[in-house]
Amino acid sequence: DQQVKQNSPSLSVQEGRISILNCDYTNSMFDYFLWYKKYPAEGPTFLISISSIKDKNEDGRFTVFLNKSAKHLSLHIVPSQPGDSAVYFCAASLTNSGYALNFGKGTSLLVTP
Amino acid sequence: KAGVTQTPRYLIKTRGQQVTLSCSPISGHRSVSWYQQTPGQGLQFLFEYFSETQRNKGNFPGRFSGRQFSNSRSEMNVSTLELGDSALYLCASSLMGGSYEQYFGPGTRLTVT
Repeated sequence: DQQVKQNSPSLSVQEGRISILNCDYTNSMFDYFLWYKKYPAEGPTFLISISSIKDKNEDGRFTVFLNKSAKHLSLHIVPSQPGDSAVYFCAASLTNSGYALNFGKGTSLLVTP
Repeated sequence: KAGVTQTPRYLIKTRGQQVTLSCSPISGHRSVSWYQQTPGQGLQFLFEYFSETQRNKGNFPGRFSGRQFSNSRSEMNVSTLELGDSALYLCASSLMGGSYEQYFGPGTRLTVT
């Protein structure tokens, strides 16, 4: 059963604009959330994370927002660049599960010039 | 620092055979996790090892097994291969101490014919 869902398989955004990638989860016990970016023929690359005790975390152009009551998180990329074109995975974990990450199926982002 | 390395990168096996995949974590990382990525199921957690002990296991049949050596290198084994085992197998390593960021290798693409 998929506990982490990314309902948009793809997203297209113009260069310079904001990209918003969404993720929903069903397990209210999840307490740590991460975003990964994946290029073809490479493994996922860690982007940014957020603990459930926060509602926002920012790192350069990337900001993750967490809404625990809605069991929803989003990744904002501002401004979007063509090099950001990749598949983005949302992941969630339980502190007592160690390093087992539950992944969404990914959203393919295309940033056009 | 060198990243996570996985060997081989590509593998073709016949149904019923067994296969062993290898992973070398980032130097100093003591936790190694394995994931299976398929188009239909996305990224799914297989198991995680720390100090040569399996700490966590995903929902996969017993044909999937792994081990970790004293130098933190890890292997995973799949016996009696089935067509449905065709997938990208990803290894990820991480530090201890509350960090949940996992660093992925490029993966091994296994094709079962």
